[in-house]
Amino acid sequence: GENVEQHPSTLSVQEGDSAVIKCTYSDSASNYFPWYKQELGKRPQLIIDIRSNVGEKKDQRIAVTLNKTAKHFSLHITETQPEDSAVYFCAAELNAGNMLTFGGGTRLMVKP
Amino acid sequence: ETGVTQTPRHLVMGMTNKKSLKCEQHLGHNAMYWYKQSAKKPLELMFVYNFKEQTENNSVPSRFSPECPNSSHLFLHLHTLQPEDSALYLCASSQEDRTYEQYFGPGTRLTVT
Repeated sequence: GENVEQHPSTLSVQEGDSAVIKCTYSDSASNYFPWYKQELGKRPQLIIDIRSNVGEKKDQRIAVTLNKTAKHFSLHITETQPEDSAVYFCAAELNAGNMLTFGGGTRLMVKP
Repeated sequence: ETGVTQTPRHLVMGMTNKKSLKCEQHLGHNAMYWYKQSAKKPLELMFVYNFKEQTENNSVPSRFSPECPNSSHLFLHLHTLQPEDSALYLCASSQEDRTYEQYFGPGTRLTVT
């Protein structure tokens, strides 16, 4: 089955700095890679995703990059703000499957 | 109410009790999921239902019993749980062909005493 590793487990940045969270996956057949944000005490919410036929996707201050050869993908948040503080989860999905395998999560803290 | 709802939001139960968690989605989706979220662990997929049929049981102990009477409702029946089953149980839904775009409910915080 799929195995997703996520690093770092905690990340502390100063407001305005950039934050990068990295994930690696094991199954080369995985095709969809969503990222979820979970604020304290709230539900995970999809913030961005990328398909395996795309190398990069951007949405305002967040971007995701995918390296299929190396089987890793990353979340980039620029100009971080205190409201970006949350736990971020990466995930990978097999095209033929019906399951998301999640990474262990990264707790991002943005200090004002 | 829109989106994905779960009841109860908090539940404390003894190891000999029987209780049920309920999930309801108002998004017109046809796939529903149960996840377990424990401290310092990844989100663990427990069960998947597509069009009311269970398509995945991720080696979950039989003390957890899911039920999906229709595409909008999902239950998790609990009996003779263990303290290590204490966790946040999240329900999610999606379109069957867009499983990467799952919408989560707020979760039920379960404590087993």
